[in-house]
Amino acid sequence: DAGVIQSPRHEVTEMGQEVTLRCKPISGHDYLFWYRQTMMRGLELLIYFNNNVPIDDSGMPEDRFSAKMPNASFSTLKIQPSEPRDSAVYFCASIRGGSGEAFFGQGTRLTVV
Amino acid sequence: GENVEQHPSTLSVQEGDSAVIKCTYSDSASNYFPWYKQELGKGPQLIIDIRSNVGEKKDQRIAVTLNKTAKHFSLHITETQPEDSAVYFCAASRGAALIFGKGTTLSVSS
Repeated sequence: DAGVIQSPRHEVTEMGQEVTLRCKPISGHDYLFWYRQTMMRGLELLIYFNNNVPIDDSGMPEDRFSAKMPNASFSTLKIQPSEPRDSAVYFCASIRGGSGEAFFGQGTRLTVV
Repeated sequence: GENVEQHPSTLSVQEGDSAVIKCTYSDSASNYFPWYKQELGKGPQLIIDIRSNVGEKKDQRIAVTLNKTAKHFSLHITETQPEDSAVYFCAASRGAALIFGKGTTLSVSS
């Protein structure tokens, strides 16, 4: 398996624009997580899905953030409108079952100017 | 909710020395405690984990200890090498999710 695949790897956008980050989990994994990494706050859990259903979105910072998982092989994290303080590295991770090794993607580095 | 504290934030050692990173957690329901290593430009990768029914686990130069009563767990790296230089994260489970500490930047100088 190619692992967790995220796209794009880098995104630079202007404040106010919509940004969509994409993730393909490892085939057969039934949990998918979105994390945000910054120097100040470390790795923060934003939201996670089980069998494509959102389970916990308490980490989503504002209504500007939304996430979907239309099928078992694809998820998106959308920010609309984007702001400079959203600049961070966003990671997607997946696991099989309710506990165990989480496999992370390479991340998307988002810069909002 | 779960809160994970990690210390130190930076750690510099000489090649061959040992390195110890410590974490505490708040939720007594947590039962899975992994450690991840993150190299520059990459996503975190699991290096070792421990479950709440075990007090210690070792894998070559890496070991983890868990004290459930005190709610703390530690990572021990012996005979450090320059390639051990990276950011290390501890985590504790909250249901199926992982809550991470803020990371420790380990620098091993030769």
